[in-house]
Amino acid sequence: DGGITQSPKYLFRKEGQNVTLSCEQNLNHDAMYWYRQDPGQGLRLIYYSQIVNDFQKGDIAEGYSVSREKKESFPLTVTSAQKNPTAFYLCASSIEGVNSPLHFGNGTRLTVT
Amino acid sequence: EDQVTQSPEALRLQEGESSSLNCSYTVSGLRGLFWYRQDPGKGPEFLFTLYSAGEEKEKERLKATLTKKESFLHITAPKPEDSATYLCAVHSRRGTSYDKVIFGPGTSLSVIP
Repeated sequence: DGGITQSPKYLFRKEGQNVTLSCEQNLNHDAMYWYRQDPGQGLRLIYYSQIVNDFQKGDIAEGYSVSREKKESFPLTVTSAQKNPTAFYLCASSIEGVNSPLHFGNGTRLTVT
Repeated sequence: EDQVTQSPEALRLQEGESSSLNCSYTVSGLRGLFWYRQDPGKGPEFLFTLYSAGEEKEKERLKATLTKKESFLHITAPKPEDSATYLCAVHSRRGTSYDKVIFGPGTSLSVIP
């Protein structure tokens, strides 16, 4: 079955360390996205990519970085510059970016202490 | 400023007790309104897309409707397995080929047997 795989499901890190969250899709979708979900708030867009080797900042990109070297993969690095990194991170994909529903992975819960 | 709100924040229903969830939006250039269901610890799952005022979509016990200012998700005779958080997301024109997607904070629905 096609879908999006995020790993790991839970991640714990010490403050000051960079950490990379994995996202892989086999839906053959061109567009991929990273969202952050915090209690009581809507999902907020971190980065998105419409095509391999290209990506754009979303609404809350500060302290995050991404790469898109392969169509299937869109890893997110949470750097030590991100002030409040503890959150639930969701990766999504869609048919090339226009008015299409998002297909989500099951998320990575990151805790930084 | 583009904005999406959802009400109520939380809703408890007895099994079989029908009700409605609300999604109100203020965006320029609506391209579509999407409803998702999210179970605890999982990623959102796509339910419906509505594109224009007056449109309705149905799936099992759920019916989504759209006006120029809001959307309703009607739940008829709910069952405990309908318990989840329901998210709405509005796609508006960003001025490029990529839609701006704004998520509401969600309504947490609990259906008691």
